[in-house]
Amino acid sequence: DVKVTQSSRYLVKRTGEKVFLECVQDMDHENMFWYRQDPGLGLRLIYFSYDVKMKEKGDIPEGYSVSREKKERFSLILESASTNQTSMYLCASSPRVTGASNQPQHFGDGTRLSIL
Amino acid sequence: GDSVTQMEGPVTLSEEAFLTINCTYTATGYPSLFWYVQYPGEGLQLLLKATKADDKGSNKGFEATYRKETTSFHLEKGSVQVSDSAVYFCALRMNYGGSQGNLIFGKGTKLSVKP
Repeated sequence: DVKVTQSSRYLVKRTGEKVFLECVQDMDHENMFWYRQDPGLGLRLIYFSYDVKMKEKGDIPEGYSVSREKKERFSLILESASTNQTSMYLCASSPRVTGASNQPQHFGDGTRLSIL
Repeated sequence: GDSVTQMEGPVTLSEEAFLTINCTYTATGYPSLFWYVQYPGEGLQLLLKATKADDKGSNKGFEATYRKETTSFHLEKGSVQVSDSAVYFCALRMNYGGSQGNLIFGKGTKLSVKP
């Protein structure tokens, strides 16, 4: 089974801190994704990466950056945390899409981040 | 742009009741369609999927049929259990090289099943 591991289940940080959320997958997937999940808004894509050192903005990249130095690891960085970044953060990975591939994304258990 | 609309919750049912969660999509091409489930305190798990028109995805007693003519992928289960209580997400992915596997999610439907 594919395993996507997020480093923390719960995290509490203070406004203005630099916050790192780590995600590791063990299936040699090319694609990795960071989402945030908020009540009534569903999942929104923050950033994704389709290869080492490659990154693409998703729908809500403001206030975030990412790092993909190794294929298995995708880090989400909150440069200066703010209270409106309190949320559930979900990491996912998938193989590269080819044609009509139906390979799903595999998700980690999420990190519930609170910014005080 | 491409989008997914699913029925708003919460949905509350008694055990053994019939479940339908509606999902419709808007897409310029021919997407793959997915249902994901999120149990309390966990991440999302793939529940079922379909890649072309008239395909039926099924798993754990849940079913959904890809209906191109109505652009729908409604989730159904004949007899729900308390353990089915979760949030259900409908999602699509466009099948062209530039998509990079990005999923577009609906907002989720919370299901509560009472004993």
